[in-house]
Amino acid sequence: GAGVSQSPRYKVTKRGQDVALRCDPISGHVSLYWYRQALGQGPEFLTYFNYEAQQDKSGLPNDRFSAERPEGSISTLTIQRTEQRDSAMYRCASSPEGEDYGYTFGSGTRLTVV
Amino acid sequence: AQSVTQPDIHITVSEGASLELRCNYSYGATPYLFWYVQSPGQGLQLLLKYFSGDTLVQGIKGFEAEFKRSQSSFNLRKPSVHWSDAAEYFCAVGAGTNAGKSTFGDGTTLTVKP
Repeated sequence: GAGVSQSPRYKVTKRGQDVALRCDPISGHVSLYWYRQALGQGPEFLTYFNYEAQQDKSGLPNDRFSAERPEGSISTLTIQRTEQRDSAMYRCASSPEGEDYGYTFGSGTRLTVV
Repeated sequence: AQSVTQPDIHITVSEGASLELRCNYSYGATPYLFWYVQSPGQGLQLLLKYFSGDTLVQGIKGFEAEFKRSQSSFNLRKPSVHWSDAAEYFCAVGAGTNAGKSTFGDGTTLTVKP
């Protein structure tokens, strides 16, 4: 597509529910990144992929968070048993290959856990 | 570990005045440095990047930044600010060469007075 597309734009969920956030990167972009951004702060790294391989997941806060990119294109970030502290803006970005080019970010998914 | 400090949380300038946003980084080797802009409801947009070579880099929308190794700084400048430049600006540092993640500062919010 023309840009990085994230869905849904807004998600309100009850504590304890699972949520899946979707990212559709720019067509042909090899690298895909997930970041989380709290209000008043910069984006915080979660994980990234080259093609379908997850290269680094050191930023995932705990084992309730997981991500996949099975065909090297669309990626899903899943949060199980959501907690209020998971509320944040979740941002996806892609780049042709590696961060050398800088990222193209999507508009994000605003997650609110009530 | 790499880190970024943006000392100014909020800056206000008059339209037509010059602008400088400060960024200090910590990184052991030659850093990859980026500036992004975030307008309300939008994703982050890459303004410019520095890897090597000329320490003064030009970006989009009339912005430029200067890399100063001795000061560990990468300040963003614009000679004449327009009302449409009001946004949040993020500096980021990365390892580049497909090393994956960038580390972002907490951002500087720019307000432009008429």
